[in-house]
Amino acid sequence: KNEVEQSPQNLTAQEGEFITINCSYSVGISALHWLQQHPGGGIVSLFMLSSGKKKHGRLIATINIQEKHSSLHITASHPRDSAVYICAVRTSGATNKLIFGTGTLLAVQP
Amino acid sequence: NAGVTQTPKFQVLKTGQSMTLQCAQDMNHEYMSWYRQDPGMGLRLIHYSVGAGITDQGEVPNGYNVSRSTTEDFPLRLLSAAPSQTSVYFCASSRGVWDSPLHFGNGTRLTVT
Repeated sequence: KNEVEQSPQNLTAQEGEFITINCSYSVGISALHWLQQHPGGGIVSLFMLSSGKKKHGRLIATINIQEKHSSLHITASHPRDSAVYICAVRTSGATNKLIFGTGTLLAVQP
Repeated sequence: NAGVTQTPKFQVLKTGQSMTLQCAQDMNHEYMSWYRQDPGMGLRLIHYSVGAGITDQGEVPNGYNVSRSTTEDFPLRLLSAAPSQTSVYFCASSRGVWDSPLHFGNGTRLTVT
């Protein structure tokens, strides 16, 4: 079982819909990152969080440390949100490494 | 604001050839790293550096070499390319070593035939 699991793997939505992407992890962490990768493009950091909730524009990221779970929400989705969304965790303790999920491919149709 | 610059964007090599992937950042970041991205797998760490003159191995270092002579540059060398090194390579940097946002380059798509 992967230490970082994302769901769903693929998601198709209609423009305007509210979208949720989930990330579960099985290790102790010091921080969790959400990243965005457009097709053929580079990777952009959206959020880094270690507790609670962060909001940037139409994007909201939450984390529940006790449940080892994070969600990325997109409100009023738009075709330009179509991308791969990647969750990555920074492990705590001596190992201290970054573990990436395999990503969620989101397609927002007009 | 250049951020992290990777070159080349695309490269085709024959088995056994060597090459260097360039990575430069202009944000005075201490931490730099190289990842490879393969279908169906998360990004995997090849090598990283916590400052000029300091490098260390990541999860998949075999077949790759790095050096960090300046804060700005962190080149990745393929010593003798193999088809298994066909991948997309990303360079990343961050201000702090561990808990700072990551800044990625645009990637290098490498094909080894």
